[in-house]
Amino acid sequence: GAGVSQSPSNKVTEKGKDVELRCDPISGHTALYWYRQRLGQGLEFLIYFQGNSAPDKSGLPSDRFSAERTGESVSTLTIQRTQQEDSAVYLCASSFRQPNYGYTFGSGTRLTVV
Amino acid sequence: DAKTTQPPSMDCAEGRAANLPCNHSTISGNEYVYWYRQIHSQGPQYIIHGLKNNETNEMASLIITEDRKSSTLILPHATLRDTAVYYCIVRVQDDYKLSFGAGTTVTVRA
Repeated sequence: GAGVSQSPSNKVTEKGKDVELRCDPISGHTALYWYRQRLGQGLEFLIYFQGNSAPDKSGLPSDRFSAERTGESVSTLTIQRTQQEDSAVYLCASSFRQPNYGYTFGSGTRLTVV
Repeated sequence: DAKTTQPPSMDCAEGRAANLPCNHSTISGNEYVYWYRQIHSQGPQYIIHGLKNNETNEMASLIITEDRKSSTLILPHATLRDTAVYYCIVRVQDDYKLSFGAGTTVTVRA
């Protein structure tokens, strides 16, 4: 596609429920990244995919968080047993191989845990 | 890790040039200066980057001092749509982790 697409754009969920966030990167971009941005704060790196593998998962906050990528395209970020502190905007970005010229970000999914 | 320092906010008149300063006095020889911006409710957007030479693209110009300890992003003719938070970061080219500080909130006024 023309840009990085994320869905849903907004998600309100009850504490304890599981959520899945989806990212469609730009076609041909082999690298994909997930970030989290809490209100008024900077970016927090979560995970990096190169193709279908994730060489760096160091930013995932806990084992409630997981991500996968299939077919070098779509990625899904799953948060199990959501907590209120998970409330944030979850941003996905992609780049052609490594981000020498900067990422292209999606508009994010705003997750609110009530 | 505060590798860059930016003013918290600045106003700019529509149609005028906006000059956004950034200090990065501890920059290493292999680190580039990158600028991103984030318009409200959108993801960050890449603007420009440079190593030591001045750079220009369709969005902006980047002026880097000779000692590389500071730089200025220039938006030549600011429009209302340029209202955003602007982030200056330093990173090596193949470092895939972005880390933003507080940035400069730029408000373009009619």
